[in-house]
Parts: sequence; C-alpha cells; structure tokens
Amino acid sequence: EVQLVESGGGLVQPGGSLRLSCAASGFTFSNYNMNWVRQAPGKGLEWVSYISSSSSTIYYADSVKGRFTISRDNAKNSLYLQMNSLRDEDTAVYYCAREDRSGWYISFDYWGQGTLVTVSS
Amino acid sequence: DIQMTQSPSSLSASVGDRVTITCRASQSISSYLNWYQQKPGKAPNLLIYAASSLQSGVPSRFSGSGSGTDFTLTISSLQPEDFATYYCQQTYSIPRTFGGGTKVEIK
Repeated sequence: EVQLVESGGGLVQPGGSLRLSCAASGFTFSNYNMNWVRQAPGKGLEWVSYISSSSSTIYYADSVKGRFTISRDNAKNSLYLQMNSLRDEDTAVYYCAREDRSGWYISFDYWGQGTLVTVSS
Repeated sequence: DIQMTQSPSSLSASVGDRVTITCRASQSISSYLNWYQQKPGKAPNLLIYAASSLQSGVPSRFSGSGSGTDFTLTISSLQPEDFATYYCQQTYSIPRTFGGGTKVEIK
C-alpha cells in the first residue's frame, strides 16, 4: 500500500525556519518525481515545488522561490522541504504528492495527510 | 503561467442530480487536465486524469471531457458521499496550477 506521511509542521514566528519531511513507503520511491502542494486555511490548493526522481530537476512557485528548498534522500525514501524566511502567508497545510508519469499524462496520484504550518508572532 | 478558472465556485444539488463543473485554461493544455475531490480535513483524491480517464477505484458516475482550453467534470447521479470540493489542475507546464475549486453542497 502506498503511503506518504508528512511531519515537521508547527508554529513558527515570521522570519523563522522549518523543515518538513515526507516519508514514503509501499512503492519504489526513487522511481517517482515528487511535489509539495499547500492549502491555506479555507483556501484552494497551491502547487509549491517539484523534484525529479534523481533530484536533477527542481522547480518552485514564484511565491516561495529563494526561500524554500526541496530535496530528497532516495536511500531513506524521504522528501523534504526546507522553509526559510517564513511569512504569515505561508500558513497552510502542506501536502507531499507523488507524480504519476506512467503514461503520457502527468497526475498527482497519491497524497499524504498533510502537516500544518502556522506562521504567527 | 497558465490560469485555471473553475465555474461555478459553489453549487447546491440534491441526491440523484446530474452535476457539471467546468474548468477553463488560459491557454491550450491539450489533455493535461486532472480532477481531484477533497473532503473537509482530508487530502485531495485523484478522480480523473488526462481529462477523461477514470482513476482506479473511482465510481463510474464520475466522468471528464474536453481538450484544449475547456473541460468538464460530470457526476451523473450525485450521491451523499460526493458532497465535497472539486479542483481541476493542469500538468501541461510548470507551475502546475489548480483551479479555485467548486464546492458541491446539499440542497
């Protein structure tokens, strides 16, 4: 069974840092590209970042570029999001999501349960 | 960036109704369009990928259509467990943008 379990969320002051983790199991993690998606309270979904299976390709949303760093450790079946210079508007539930590219299409076929990040003084 | 616009933003419907949600892309995205369902406090769940392909395990009352810039999600006969928020997403290019969501409520 595919499982993605996020951790590391919590309360942090503006300007602070936090590192999120996503532990993957039930599939060959090193074969899949991964993403982070966030959802502010009562709002819609916002794609945050992408990392390819080998870490060779990385993308960020403009809203987090220069402040967030995505990484992965295939030996540990883990995905990470280092978040620095946090702002009030970064308050959200953060989800990790597996990217399915088994065909010509691309979809996010499995998601974690999410971890809440609250940025507040 | 490609903008995704969903309509309506909310709707009220009864069990057994046929429900249609639309999603429009700001430029052509071929068929790189997915639909997700999200219930309160839960992660999104993939329903439809590649505009019209039903994800494994998803009931056949859900269907998707469209290509280019205009897409629809149809629920043929609304069931109690379908009351949720639905999002479209384009995966044609980075950033992988989502629509604003459509909340389906009980009439």
